[in-house]
Amino acid sequence: GAVVSQHPSRVICKSGTSVKIECRSLDFQATTMFWYRQFPKQSLMLMATSNEGSKATYEQGVEKDKFLINHASLTLSTLTVTSAHPEDSSFYICSARKVAVLNYNEQFFGPGTRLTVL
Amino acid sequence: QKEVEQNSGPLSVPEGAIASLNCTYSDRGSQSFFWYRQYSGKSPELIMFIYSNGDKEDGRFTAQLNKASQYVSLLIRDSQPSDSATYLCAVNSPVDSSYKLIFGSGTRLLVRP
Repeated sequence: GAVVSQHPSRVICKSGTSVKIECRSLDFQATTMFWYRQFPKQSLMLMATSNEGSKATYEQGVEKDKFLINHASLTLSTLTVTSAHPEDSSFYICSARKVAVLNYNEQFFGPGTRLTVL
Repeated sequence: QKEVEQNSGPLSVPEGAIASLNCTYSDRGSQSFFWYRQYSGKSPELIMFIYSNGDKEDGRFTAQLNKASQYVSLLIRDSQPSDSATYLCAVNSPVDSSYKLIFGSGTRLLVRP
């Protein structure tokens, strides 16, 4: 199997607070995980690539000090939205790369976290 | 030019028909191609992947890849209303070893009962 979980599934917070989102690969090890953001009726936007044991690689325009990523183990990556503001309200989705026998790199997505900042 | 292009749709087909979804990509170095289905408010779900030229079949789904023409398509046979969703085409990024996928903006499919 290839199951990825995310927690929490939904969070509402006040402006200025920080929110941590966890992404776990439940039945496989993931040396690489990815964090996406999706606004309503728009496509997925890759925010960063999370590599186990090393610093994350952020896409252009994504503030690394605002979106802190930690990939502490082969099954867990976390995204912390610091000092959240209403414009950060979005659907945050993680994915984990599963390395198959022939090294074909499928990505499996978590169920997503809907963040609402008041 | 976008790296991965899809017609946004909606593509409307009657129940039982074949739905044909198309995707073109710009980088000839791309090696792996994926189709994801995303229901409204949910995260993407992997349907199929293809690496070699030609067809790959899995149940009602057939992925087709033509590297010379730089397009990949997804055929859905015997379309059902439950197939109504947005279908995302994704291509691996050949630029570096980050294993990133580049997503198209998706095609919305509507299967009419």
